[in-house]
Amino acid sequence: ILNVEQSPQSLHVQEGDSTNFTCSFPSSNFYALHWYRWETAKSPEALFVMTLNGDEKKKGRISATLNTKEGYSYLYIKGSQPEDSATYLCAFKTGNMLTFGGGTRLMVKP
Amino acid sequence: DGGITQSPKYLFRKEGQNVTLSCEQNLNHDAMYWYRQDPGQGLRLIYYSQIVNDFQKGDIAEGYSVSREKKESFPLTVTSAQKNPTAFYLCASRLDRRYGYTFGSGTRLTVV
Repeated sequence: ILNVEQSPQSLHVQEGDSTNFTCSFPSSNFYALHWYRWETAKSPEALFVMTLNGDEKKKGRISATLNTKEGYSYLYIKGSQPEDSATYLCAFKTGNMLTFGGGTRLMVKP
Repeated sequence: DGGITQSPKYLFRKEGQNVTLSCEQNLNHDAMYWYRQDPGQGLRLIYYSQIVNDFQKGDIAEGYSVSREKKESFPLTVTSAQKNPTAFYLCASRLDRRYGYTFGSGTRLTVV
């Protein structure tokens, strides 16, 4: 079973703060790295699918970077809003299987 | 609207009984997946299916069975052989490798 780790496990920030968290994954047999946002009582929602070393993706105030050689990805949220409160999951794809990290739970205080 | 429907949302069963969780999608996605979540843990893959009439074991397939007779449907049976069946179960599908997964809203199974 592959080891995909996310840090921190949880994070409390004030509205307007920018924040970032980390996903670490094996640096071999890399196919893709996924990021998802999972709000309470909703389904996980895909944010990014990243495949190339050095990839940077952006969706509104959320962006992500990828380093496949050293096995990490960063997710950044600029100017956090209360509606950004959710658990952010990363997932490492090798072959046909997607292995998830434990998630980072973000809480944004108004 | 297209999406994935999981039913029921909550399910209670007595120990020793088999139970089947439903997952239906109208997205025309080929690949479908079942994940399990336990408190404090990440999602773990139970089974997946890339095409109709074919499926593969994931990391924690013991005590579970699936079928994929139709593209739209991928039911999961939790058998009495599953030692710790109480968990939250998520079904997902995917169009192709360029896209992320689309998830259902989950079924919370409690075995008493």
